[in-house]
Amino acid sequence: DAGVIQSPRHEVTEMGQEVTLRCKPISGHNSLFWYRQTMMRGLELLIYFNNNVPIDDSGMPEDRFSAKMPNASFSTLKIQPSEPRDSAVYFCASSSGTSGMHEQFFGPGTRLTVL
Amino acid sequence: DQQVKQNSPSLSVQEGRISILNCDYTNSMFDYFLWYKKYPAEGPTFLISISSIKDKNEDGRFTVFLNKSAKHLSLHIVPSQPGDSAVYFCAARGGNEKLTFGTGTRLTIIP
Repeated sequence: DAGVIQSPRHEVTEMGQEVTLRCKPISGHNSLFWYRQTMMRGLELLIYFNNNVPIDDSGMPEDRFSAKMPNASFSTLKIQPSEPRDSAVYFCASSSGTSGMHEQFFGPGTRLTVL
Repeated sequence: DQQVKQNSPSLSVQEGRISILNCDYTNSMFDYFLWYKKYPAEGPTFLISISSIKDKNEDGRFTVFLNKSAKHLSLHIVPSQPGDSAVYFCAARGGNEKLTFGTGTRLTIIP
């Protein structure tokens, strides 16, 4: 199993540009999570999907952020327009949601730098 | 409002000794707790977990203790090894699939 795949691994962009982060969850997993890691706030949940449906987006910082999951094997997190304060590492995670199994499997992350 | 707190940003321990990482939480509705380990440039990986109906769970060198009355959990690593040097995150689940993470503790094992 290849695990959770994220692309790109690194992204450097200028303020105002659109940024799209991509995630492929583990095959068979029906829940997908987007997190942001910063020094000050640690790992914050931005949004999560179950069976491709957004369940909780209360962590999405503002309207500049949007996420989609068009099918069970792909999700995107888009920032438009990007700002320097969006610089962070963004992680995607997936889980099977099986009763009693609460473990989430994380991808390697995308390090975003907005200049 | 930080519902899961790891008050020690860093910890250094001699190789072979016990490492104790602490975590406090405020939400009494949390029913499941997990520890994740993170190496640089990698995603967090699951280490060990405990249900709120238990007070201890052990897996090899790793043991998690839960004190519900104090809303406190701890991770014990014994004996500590150089490969244990990483950032450790405590996480809590509140009835759905959502996990709330602490800010992490950087553990350094000194050879």
